[in-house]
Amino acid sequence: AQKITQTQPGMFVQEKEAVTLDCTYDTSDQSYGLFWYKQPSSGEMIFLIYQGSYDEQNATEGRYSLNFQKARKSANLVISASQLGDSAMYFCAMSVNTGFQKLVFGTGTRLLVSP
Amino acid sequence: SQTIHQWPATLVQPVGSPLSLECTVEGTSNPNLYWYRQAAGRGLQLLFYSVGIGQISSEVPQNLSASRPQDRQFILSSKKLLLSDSGFYLCAWRVGLNQPQHFGDGTRLSIL
Repeated sequence: AQKITQTQPGMFVQEKEAVTLDCTYDTSDQSYGLFWYKQPSSGEMIFLIYQGSYDEQNATEGRYSLNFQKARKSANLVISASQLGDSAMYFCAMSVNTGFQKLVFGTGTRLLVSP
Repeated sequence: SQTIHQWPATLVQPVGSPLSLECTVEGTSNPNLYWYRQAAGRGLQLLFYSVGIGQISSEVPQNLSASRPQDRQFILSSKKLLLSDSGFYLCAWRVGLNQPQHFGDGTRLSIL
């Protein structure tokens, strides 16, 4: 069975600094996808970044980058130059390439950015 | 562009009452549709998914059911709500392999 582990319940960072949110995963499948979502206090889930298991380069989207280490089964999210608006819950998720692509979510990390 | 609408945003219901939450997607065809529940301070749990009209698969046994009467409409229902049905319900859609799921704004359901 697939599993996502986020070991950091909460993280604190000062504005303009970089922060890394940890994510490890467990799967026996060769083909899978890894996603990060942001959930502000308002509740909506906002897609941030995607990494495919066969992608050789780390994914980047603006200030977000995904540090993908396949051998370690880790997919950490790096946020550069943190902003106050980055304060939110962050969820790592994995999909397995079946037809319906179920997403398995971790328990999340709450990020607080201070001025 | 694609959009997803989910309503109501907030709902307070007594135990034993029925439930109907609706989700519609615009701007895409034949999406995969999903219902998730999020307990307070927890991750998301997949409840149902659908790959087409009338095709519903349940991930966990529970007091809820889902239906897809139209291509872009997904409904979550219950005949009699339980206290344990309280939570934040999110609908999502996806089109294409290895594409992200896109979520609605969610419904906060409180059972009294």
